[in-house]
Amino acid sequence: DAKTTQPNSMESNEEEPVHLPCNHSTISGTDYIHWYRQLPSQGPEYVIHGLTSNVNNRMASLAIAEDRKSSTLILHRATLRDAAVYYCILRDRGSNYQLIWGAGTKLIIKP
Amino acid sequence: EPEVTQTPSHQVTQMGQEVILRCVPISNHLYFYWYRQILGQKVEFLVSFYNNEISEKSEIFDDQFSVERPDGSNFTLKIRSTKLEDSAMYFCANRGDGETQYFGPGTRLLVL
Repeated sequence: DAKTTQPNSMESNEEEPVHLPCNHSTISGTDYIHWYRQLPSQGPEYVIHGLTSNVNNRMASLAIAEDRKSSTLILHRATLRDAAVYYCILRDRGSNYQLIWGAGTKLIIKP
Repeated sequence: EPEVTQTPSHQVTQMGQEVILRCVPISNHLYFYWYRQILGQKVEFLVSFYNNEISEKSEIFDDQFSVERPDGSNFTLKIRSTKLEDSAMYFCANRGDGETQYFGPGTRLLVL
């Protein structure tokens, strides 16, 4: 499984945009880029996913580099409820959809 | 929005005992997964299950582990003879036709 690299932690102020980076230089053409998050003491929660094009949903936006070797999760206006560990995961389209997790980025939101 | 539920929320057991963790998936979801997370560590894939068969399993999922859908709705994870190192949060997840996996709140297992 292709690996991802994320910063261990990031801080942001409440009500400001947050850009969470992810490097995946060994990504293959069949890998989907997934983002999940885990709030304290909760199960993981799906955020967004994409393959080649940028994606938007009600939670966030996903910006994918043209060469697909990196991506950025964008929270447009972070709230205290967005404090969580954010995981960038590559899912091989040929796999059985199991998710292989890294350490993620712990996002700290300052009021 | 439909939710995945898991029972029990907490379980304490003695080493060597059998435990069964239960998951009620979202209706009409056909793909099922178990993951675990040892305290302070990353989430680890255990097993995927589809059409009443295991489709993929990790090295962690050894002969002590088994999964089934005993009544066509609940999805269970059984650990036959628990070890201290089985202490972890266990998450059930399921998926419909799309990419998204929906996770339950987890069961915290403590083996003494």
